[in-house]
Amino acid sequence: DAGVTQSPTHLIKTRGQQVTLRCSPKSGHDTVSWYQQALGQEPQFIFQYYEEEERQRGNFPDRFSGHQFPNYSSELNVNALLLGDSALYLCASSLRLAKNIQYFGAGTRLSVL
Amino acid sequence: GDSVTQMEGPVTLSEEAFLTINCTYTATGYPSLFWYVQYPGEGLQLLLKATKADDKGSNKGFEATYRKETTSFHLEKGSVQVSDSAVYFCALRLNTGGFKTIFGAGTRLFVKA
Repeated sequence: DAGVTQSPTHLIKTRGQQVTLRCSPKSGHDTVSWYQQALGQEPQFIFQYYEEEERQRGNFPDRFSGHQFPNYSSELNVNALLLGDSALYLCASSLRLAKNIQYFGAGTRLSVL
Repeated sequence: GDSVTQMEGPVTLSEEAFLTINCTYTATGYPSLFWYVQYPGEGLQLLLKATKADDKGSNKGFEATYRKETTSFHLEKGSVQVSDSAVYFCALRLNTGGFKTIFGAGTRLFVKA
């Protein structure tokens, strides 16, 4: 049983560009959450998707957007990249309607030059 | 607002020493509590969890007890190994609303041989 998978593992972009990160949840999970982890910091919640809709959002600008597909996989899009967007982006999946844990993927490391 | 506070690191111990990493939380309602571990260059791995007061989570020799009266979830291990060197994050997950996870700042542990 595959866990949470994210792609790509590493990405280098320049300021102003746009990026799309992808996540496949653990089998059987219906909810995907995205987190940003700057170097040496704790993960910060970006948003959560359930039933193909954004259900909750953290304190991130509209440049950060997402999507969830009918197979529960998800994308995170970031427009107009800034140097400060350089971070490890973590995807976590879970079952929504239960006190279940979130399983995290290995992350995508984004470097903005 | 909801938050997690954990002891600052780094914590440096010799192999076979006793480990305690303190964690306290502030939350409305009754959150689930977690400890995650992050090895260099990797994503987050769930170490242990507790979903209600007085629950004890345990895994790989690590333990933590959900103390509602002191709003604490301290991590302990009786005898650490060099391979335990990593960053440890205490986290809470709200059981209402969007179920997002809030992390503490992380505590880096170094274990010397």
